[in-house]
Amino acid sequence: DIQMTQSPSSLSASVGDRVTITCRASETFTGYLNWYQQKPGKAPKLLIYAASSLQSGVPGRFSGSGSGTDFTLTISSLQPEDIATYYCQQSYSAPWTFGQGTKVEIK
Amino acid sequence: QVQLQESGPGLVKPSQTLSLTCTVSGGSISRAGYYWSWIRQHPGKGLEWMGYIYYSGSTYHNPSLKSRVTMSVDTSKNQFSLQLKSVTAADTALYFCARAWVTDYSNYSFDLWGQGTLVTVSS
Repeated sequence: DIQMTQSPSSLSASVGDRVTITCRASETFTGYLNWYQQKPGKAPKLLIYAASSLQSGVPGRFSGSGSGTDFTLTISSLQPEDIATYYCQQSYSAPWTFGQGTKVEIK
Repeated sequence: QVQLQESGPGLVKPSQTLSLTCTVSGGSISRAGYYWSWIRQHPGKGLEWMGYIYYSGSTYHNPSLKSRVTMSVDTSKNQFSLQLKSVTAADTALYFCARAWVTDYSNYSFDLWGQGTLVTVSS
């Protein structure tokens, strides 16, 4: 199975800050990487698919990049409603696997 | 709009079979390009993809679950189902059904999720 490792596991930032979350894969691939946001008690929500494509309805402050083994999710200006846990997920090779999550809090 | 809703018992005894159904409303389960999945989340933990079923009946099951998983689809009812046999306390989790959507580049992402249903394995 492809292992997905996210860093950091948690972070605290101020409203308006630029936030970057990293996802590292145990194998190299391009494009087969998705990002999700999960708020407490809710199902995950797709933010970014195919590494850099913004899902319809998702605010433009979210962006994704990367290829090979290293991928990033960036929130350009953190908002209070962005408090959540973020997960990456690969679909390059089945079984599709998720990272362990990054919890984002407001400082 | 398309919605997913899980249903099934919230409590299952050890060694028995966990059975869940996901009802798809607002759209057809038989639409090409969508793979109907089960994903679970252990309490306070991350996400584990259990597998998918296509409307044609073809399936993929996560090898981590060995041979305990069965998935089925009923296109006439617009439903798909999960059975997990020989459950233990380690199968206690929040179970989500989700739709995996394949893009032009063969990337699969989960663009639609049910609200999730908590299943507890306990005697």
